[in-house]
Amino acid sequence: DGGITQSPKYLFRKEGQNVTLSCEQNLNHDAMYWYRQDPGQGLRLIYYSQIVNDFQKGDIAEGYSVSREKKESFPLTVTSAQKNPTAFYLCASSNTGTGNQPQHFGDGTRLSIL
Amino acid sequence: GDSVTQMEGPVTLSEEAFLTINCTYTATGYPSLFWYVQYPGEGLQLLLKATKADDKGSNKGFEATYRKETTSFHLEKGSVQVSDSAVYFCALSDSSGYSTLTFGKGTMLLVSP
Repeated sequence: DGGITQSPKYLFRKEGQNVTLSCEQNLNHDAMYWYRQDPGQGLRLIYYSQIVNDFQKGDIAEGYSVSREKKESFPLTVTSAQKNPTAFYLCASSNTGTGNQPQHFGDGTRLSIL
Repeated sequence: GDSVTQMEGPVTLSEEAFLTINCTYTATGYPSLFWYVQYPGEGLQLLLKATKADDKGSNKGFEATYRKETTSFHLEKGSVQVSDSAVYFCALSDSSGYSTLTFGKGTMLLVSP
């Protein structure tokens, strides 16, 4: 079955530590996205990538970094500069086109502070 | 910039009741509109979409019509079930080709037997 796999499902970060969230897709989609979800806040875009080796900042990129070395993979690193990292992180992918392409989501990673 | 406004929840209904969740948007150009559903502890699933004015998206008994004159995309279902309990997100994608989504804050639906 085609889909998006996020790992791990739960992750704990210590103070001053960087952590990396994995996102892999086998849908052959060109575009991939990272969102942060906080209770009552909806989803906010962190980073997105339309093509391999290229990515753009979203609305809340500070304290986060990404890479896109392969079409299938778009890992997100939450750095120590992100002072409030506790949230539910969602990865998505889509075809590119005229803006009417729906995004397909993984099941998310819940990050907490130890 | 683009924005999406949804009615605040939770919306509490009895099984077989009629559901409406309001969604209005602000955008330039001709956005595409989406409804996503999120069950507890899971990611979002596409429920339905509409890509131009007067289009009606439908799926699993849910419907929404793209109303450009009122900038609205209200979600409706004639008879809800307990299994419909979830959080529903309205979203828009602008026409620039980047397919980035702007989401509303979500509306929780609770259906009791």
